[in-house]
Amino acid sequence: DAGVTQSPTHLIKTRGQHVTLRCSPISGHKSVSWYQQVLGQGPQFIFQYYEKEERGRGNFPDRFSARQFPNYSSELNVNALLLGDSALYLCASTWTSGSYEQYFGPGTRLTVT
Amino acid sequence: EDQVTQSPEALRLQEGESSSLNCSYTVSGLRGLFWYRQDPGKGPEFLFTLYSAGEEKEKERLKATLTKKESFLHITAPKPEDSATYLCAVQGLETSGSRLTFGEGTQLTVNP
Repeated sequence: DAGVTQSPTHLIKTRGQHVTLRCSPISGHKSVSWYQQVLGQGPQFIFQYYEKEERGRGNFPDRFSARQFPNYSSELNVNALLLGDSALYLCASTWTSGSYEQYFGPGTRLTVT
Repeated sequence: EDQVTQSPEALRLQEGESSSLNCSYTVSGLRGLFWYRQDPGKGPEFLFTLYSAGEEKEKERLKATLTKKESFLHITAPKPEDSATYLCAVQGLETSGSRLTFGEGTQLTVNP
C-alpha cells in the first residue's frame, strides 16, 4: 500500500512569492495534518483537516492557509513568503480526527531566498 | 499548554553499547505519547504509541516505557543502522483533533 505522498520534493522560492504544497493521505485515511520542521527542531503543528473541515490550527500567521478536497487530499498555501518560512513541510494522515497514530509523508523542502 | 523536553540532545554510542533516551512531558491529561524515528531529510517514521503509565512496547532492539511524567526509549545492543533522530510527541486530553506536540529530538549516532 502507498504511504503518504507529498509534492513537490523540493522547492526554491523568492521572498514575497506564494507557494502551494500538496499531500495525498494513505488510502482510507480521512484526516490530514500539516507540520513545519525547521532544521534542528521538532515538527510544529500548523493545521488539521478532517472531512474537508478545519479541526485545529497552530500558532502560525494568516499567511498560512490550507484546504482538503473530497478525495481527502490536501493543499497548504503560504503567501508573502519570508526567509523564515524555509523549512521541511510535513503532511501526516490519520484514520479519523481523533486517531492517535499519525503517519508522515517524506516532506517538501522549501527554501526561500 | 502541552510541553515535551527530550534529553540528551545528541548521543554517540559504540555498536552494542546499550543506552536510553529520555522524554519528559507536561500535559493536562495524557491521551497518548508517541515515538518516531527520523532519518536526515525524511519524514518521521512511527515507532510506538503509549497510553498509560506502566505501559511498555518493544520492536526489535527498541523498548519504550511510560511513567506519569516521562517516557524512555531503551536501545539494546544498537547497530549503526539505528543512527537517526528520535522524536517524542504527546497528545493531551484537551487537545482538539489529532494535534501532536513534539520535542526537539535526540540525535543518535552508533559507530561500528
